Amino acid sequence: EAQVTQNPRYLITVTGKKLTVTCSQNMNHEYMSWYRQDPGLGLRQIYYSMNVEVTDKGDVPEGYKVSRKEKRNFPLILESPSPNQTSLYFCASSLASGIPGELFFGEGSRLTVL
Amino acid sequence: QQQVKQSPQSLIVQKGGISIINCAYENTAFDYFPWYQQFPGKGPALLIAIRPDVSEKKEGRFTISFNKSAKQFSLHIMDSQPGDSATYFCAASMRGAGSYQLTFGKGTKLSVIP
Repeated sequence: EAQVTQNPRYLITVTGKKLTVTCSQNMNHEYMSWYRQDPGLGLRQIYYSMNVEVTDKGDVPEGYKVSRKEKRNFPLILESPSPNQTSLYFCASSLASGIPGELFFGEGSRLTVL
Repeated sequence: QQQVKQSPQSLIVQKGGISIINCAYENTAFDYFPWYQQFPGKGPALLIAIRPDVSEKKEGRFTISFNKSAKQFSLHIMDSQPGDSATYFCAASMRGAGSYQLTFGKGTKLSVIP
């Protein structure tokens, strides 16, 4: 089954404790991206990657890191989480040559930073 | 800054009624306009999309109307059903270096009541 898989789905952590949210897709997509969803603010892009070893900042990159060492994986790293990073996070992927604007989303990771 | 403005933020419609969600954009370089549907606990999924050279696109009960001169587009859901209750995001897409970049509206939470 074609899918984007995120882990963990739910996480409660404390300020300053490094964490990684993993994202994996099995569709051989070149493009991958991370979004955060907050009430009233919609979906805001954190980072994206056009292909292996190619990443770039989105609209709200502060406090986050990413890496793309393999085509299928695109982990999101919070080196020192803060309460303002409490949010619902989505990973998404698409074919570079696919239908314009067609992103495939994971089911989300709800993060709470105390 | 590229923006897509979406309204209303929330919408309550009776079963069988018409749901209308409106979006406006500023950047004329956008070349594709998708709508995403998100059910609670799930990631957004592509619902329907339109190119700017088309004024209307219909898929079942869902219709996009597009007004290029006004830089506005809207989603109409005919004969709305309780199963349509979800959050809807409009988006605008632009071809970048290697893929399409999406800019999302802030979302509309639709509730269809029996």
